[in-house]
Amino acid sequence: GQNIDQPTEMTATEGAIVQINCTYQTSGFNGLFWYQQHAGEAPTFLSYNVLDGLEEKGRFSSFLSRSKGYSYLLLKELQMKDSASYLCAPLDSNYQLIWGAGTKLIIKP
Amino acid sequence: GAVVSQHPSRVICKSGTSVKIECRSLDFQATTMFWYRQFPKKSLMLMATSNEGSKATYEQGVEKDKFLINHASLTLSTLTVTSAHPEDSSFYICSAREREADEQYFGPGTRLTVT
Repeated sequence: GQNIDQPTEMTATEGAIVQINCTYQTSGFNGLFWYQQHAGEAPTFLSYNVLDGLEEKGRFSSFLSRSKGYSYLLLKELQMKDSASYLCAPLDSNYQLIWGAGTKLIIKP
Repeated sequence: GAVVSQHPSRVICKSGTSVKIECRSLDFQATTMFWYRQFPKKSLMLMATSNEGSKATYEQGVEKDKFLINHASLTLSTLTVTSAHPEDSSFYICSAREREADEQYFGPGTRLTVT
C-alpha cells in the first residue's frame, strides 16, 4: 500500500530552526513535494525533490533520500507566519500525489 | 505565473439543489486538473482526475453521478455537486498541472455548506 508518515504536530520558537521529517512508501516514485497549508486555505508549493540530496530555497530547505524513503523539510529563522500545516506528498508511478495528514507546526514567541 | 482561480470561494445551498464550482488556470494550459475535498484537520482526499477532452477518472468511493466533472478546455474544469446533502459540506480544492511531474498549482478552494 501507499503510506505517508509525518509527526502530527510540532512546536518551535520564533527565530529557531525546525526539521519536519517524512517517511513514505509508494507504488513507484517520481519525486516528492512539500506544501504549506494555512488553516482554511489551499496548499501552496514549497519544494520539489526528485534526486537525493538537499535543495535550499531561502529559509526553507528540503532533503530527499530515495533509498530510505525519507525526506525532511528544514525551516530556519522561524517567523510567526510559518505557523501552518506542512504536507509531504510523493508522486507515485502514475504521477499522482499521495497525501498524508501533514504536520501542524506551531510557532511560539 | 502559474495561477489557478476557483469560483465561488464560499457557497451555501439548500439540500437537494446543485452547485457548480469552477476551476481556471489563468496563465498556463492545464492538461490535467484534480479535484480534492478536505474535511477539517484531515488530509486532502483526491476525488477525481480529469484530462482535457476526456472523461474524468474517479477515485474509489466517489460517486461520478453525484460529482459531475467537466474539463472542456485546457484552462477550465468544473465540478458540479448534484442533489447536495449536508454531508457534502466540505472544502473543495482544485489543482492544475501542465505536464507529468510538474507541480500541481492549487486554487484557493471553495467552502461548501449545505443546509
